[in-house]
Amino acid sequence: GQSLEQPSEVTAVEGAIVQINCTYQTSGFYGLSWYQQHDGGAPTFLSYNALDGLEETGRFSSFLSRSDSYGYLLLQELQMKDSASYFCAVRDRTGANNLFFGTGTRLTVIP
Amino acid sequence: DTGVSQNPRHKITKRGQNVTFRCDPISEHNRLYWYRQTLGQGPEFLTYFQNEAQLEKSRLLSDRFSAERPKGSFSTLEIQRTEQGDSAMYLCASSSDRGSYNEQFFGPGTRLTVL
Repeated sequence: GQSLEQPSEVTAVEGAIVQINCTYQTSGFYGLSWYQQHDGGAPTFLSYNALDGLEETGRFSSFLSRSDSYGYLLLQELQMKDSASYFCAVRDRTGANNLFFGTGTRLTVIP
Repeated sequence: DTGVSQNPRHKITKRGQNVTFRCDPISEHNRLYWYRQTLGQGPEFLTYFQNEAQLEKSRLLSDRFSAERPKGSFSTLEIQRTEQGDSAMYLCASSSDRGSYNEQFFGPGTRLTVL
């Protein structure tokens, strides 16, 4: 089966840096994705790591270590609008086309 | 293109009634997914279409649920004999086969409340 673990809540100060961790167990691995979802909104794709290392997209970076079954999302120069839920996701199983999502990390940015 | 659209945005129904939701994916996206999300949880996969073919179904999708994508464009999700446990946000997503399976574009969802 599949499992993803991420912290349920994180609070950080505006302008700071925050790291949201995700550990996973899957029967097959096809990369780790990150999605952002504001309250009442749709999940929005942020990034995807298929190989080990760091992927940077503006203020957001994502890291993957396949040997440790671990990844993280790094948000820099936090803004109030970054307050949202963040989900890591993996392909469900060998040959699957859908995503298996974690339970999400609710990030609250405070002034 | 304005993204994935879903209708209705909200649906309140009584237990035992049938409901149908519609999803219009981003044009030319041949992959379409349905997910269900409850409060405090991540989206849970329900079913996947490539063009008009339904290629995957989750075991979460009981026989009361049926989905179609008759012409490979819009899709409908029908729930028969609704139960209170069906109350959730139903999300539709689409993606292109020229892109990654990992980058999916989600619609705003249909929130179902079963009384």
